[in-house]
Amino acid sequence: QVQLVESGGGVVQPGRSLRLSCATSGFTFRSYGMHWVRQAPGKGLEWVAVISFDGSTKYYGDSVKGRFTISRDNSRNTLDLQMNSLRAEDTAVYYCAKEREKTTNFDYWGRGTLVTVSS
Amino acid sequence: EVVLTQSPVTLSLSPGERATLSCRASQSVSSYLAWYLQKPGQAPRLLIYDASNRAAGIPARFSGSGSGTDFTLTISSLEPEDFAVYYCQQRSSWPITFGGGTKVEIK
Repeated sequence: QVQLVESGGGVVQPGRSLRLSCATSGFTFRSYGMHWVRQAPGKGLEWVAVISFDGSTKYYGDSVKGRFTISRDNSRNTLDLQMNSLRAEDTAVYYCAKEREKTTNFDYWGRGTLVTVSS
Repeated sequence: EVVLTQSPVTLSLSPGERATLSCRASQSVSSYLAWYLQKPGQAPRLLIYDASNRAAGIPARFSGSGSGTDFTLTISSLEPEDFAVYYCQQRSSWPITFGGGTKVEIK
């Protein structure tokens, strides 16, 4: 079955960096676009970034553009999110999510990893 | 950016009742609208994609309708496991955006 498992969350000071990873299994990873979506405590969902199936195309939400970098390794079936210059407002649960077929809907999600930006 | 406005914010109903949730877009998203359900402490789950198509394994009591700017998610008869928060999401244009959510709570 499809599994997505995020890791790398934790407490980090403002201005510092953190790298999240998402380990996947149960599907042909190299065939699907992958996304990061976040959810601040008690708030709604916010889309963060997408990377195409082959890594050639990436888009970012305005709030993270220039600070976050999405990447993937199709040989290891993993998705990463490098987060630099972190701010308090980046505090959230970060989910990796798989695209449904060739659309930007999300049919499988990980359980999420919590990032807390605080001094 | 397409802004999605969901209403009501909270819907108080009893099991067995019909639930009608609304999502309005600030500009046309054609039929590129999806609905998700999220229970506390869990990741969202895809219910409906492209306005009216049920995702795999989703019961027939969930249905979606609409196009352009106005969309509706209907739950024909609420089951205990349906009490949760529901989000709409558009994929018509970048950035992908979500609505603020509707909480369906037990009356």
